[in-house]
Amino acid sequence: AQTVTQSQPEMSVQEAETVTLSCTYDTSESDYYLFWYKQPPSRQMILVIRQEAYKQQNATENRFSVNFQKAAKSFSLKISDSQLGDAAMYFCAYRSGPNFGNEKLTFGTGTRLTIIP
Amino acid sequence: NAGVMQNPRHLVRRRGQEARLRCSPMKGHSHVYWYRQLPEEGLKFMVYLQKENIIDESGMPKERFSAEFPKEGPSILRIQQVVRGDSAAYFCASSPELAGATQYFGPGTRLTVL
Repeated sequence: AQTVTQSQPEMSVQEAETVTLSCTYDTSESDYYLFWYKQPPSRQMILVIRQEAYKQQNATENRFSVNFQKAAKSFSLKISDSQLGDAAMYFCAYRSGPNFGNEKLTFGTGTRLTIIP
Repeated sequence: NAGVMQNPRHLVRRRGQEARLRCSPMKGHSHVYWYRQLPEEGLKFMVYLQKENIIDESGMPKERFSAEFPKEGPSILRIQQVVRGDSAAYFCASSPELAGATQYFGPGTRLTVL
């Protein structure tokens, strides 16, 4: 079974600075997807970014980018120019390859990010 | 385009009662997933359904929990004879019928068992 580990329960960053959240995972599969979801105090789960394992290029969405190291099974999230609205729990998640029936997401335990004004 | 809808947002039940949680997927989505989030924990997969079919229920407790996604209407997660340990946030997600599609989440239902 796949596992996802987020070793930083809490992180904080000054507004406008850059922060990196860590995620490692364990799998024997070669084809899979990785995600970062954000959960603000409203508790809504919001997709931040998605990475396909077969793509070597790191995914980027505006101020959010990932460092995907497939051999090391590492998938970190970098938030640039941090804003107050970025304060939330961030969850890393894994999904097996594109075959139907593999859709379930496996989540890490989350990192609580605090933005310091 | 409305997102995934869940109701109720908050549900209070006494021990032994039944809880029914509803989820309407995004327009055009035919796959529904239920996850449970215990306090201070990440989300745990419970069940994956398509219209009228349960595809994967490997995360569902063996007793008291059931799920359905009928041809018409929302998906229902049903918990019979609730116990205090069932208190949690229950999230529904949906995706279209595309291999590798992203799941989009609803706002969750927070169940409190007294």
